[in-house]
Amino acid sequence: QVQLVESGGAVVQPGRSLRLSCTTSGFTFSSYGFHWVRQAPGKGLECVAVIWYDGSNKYYADSVKGRFTVSRDNSKNTLYLQMNSLRAEDTAVYYCARDSGTYVMDVWGQGTTVTVSS
Amino acid sequence: QSALTQPASVSGSPGQSITISCTGTSSDVGGYNYVSWYQQHPGKAPKLMIYDVSKRPSGVSNRFSGSKSGNTASLTISGLQAEDEADYYCSSYTSGAGVFGGGTKLTVL
Repeated sequence: QVQLVESGGAVVQPGRSLRLSCTTSGFTFSSYGFHWVRQAPGKGLECVAVIWYDGSNKYYADSVKGRFTVSRDNSKNTLYLQMNSLRAEDTAVYYCARDSGTYVMDVWGQGTTVTVSS
Repeated sequence: QSALTQPASVSGSPGQSITISCTGTSSDVGGYNYVSWYQQHPGKAPKLMIYDVSKRPSGVSNRFSGSKSGNTASLTISGLQAEDEADYYCSSYTSGAGVFGGGTKLTVL
């Protein structure tokens, strides 16, 4: 079945780096774009980054631009989010989501928790 | 990119209908027919309920419907059921990473 599984969440100190992974199965990974979406504790959803199916285009929220990088490895069916210079306000559950249309997030992972604290 | 505007909460009794609004600008909601709606139960991942303004994914009840007028999109849930109690988020395509609304908590009385 179609499945997305995030991993890599952890407790990290401000200023440090972390890489999240989203391992997928059950569909042709290279045919789809993907989103990273986060949700701070008790707050709403926030678009973090999007990557086109072929990696040709990547877009970021202003709040993470220059610090976060989205990438993909089609040979491993895996999506990544490299997060540098982490701040307390980056604390959230991070979800990866498949895009089946134009910003249509039809399949979601279960989320991985990132806590930035000293 | 500023978040789309949704009411913080709405409520209704079982069997009734409710509508949740989602207001953006001509750069997002008003500029494209790419508005989606997501349902999120506590501690769970969001679930796609409506896409491209008014289309329903396979498996989603036809009690859920979507529409748009100008810069405002709407989600209507008819025949409210207890299991509809959840948070609902609208989302729109933008020229960047996309944007969500602030979310609406639906309470079934």
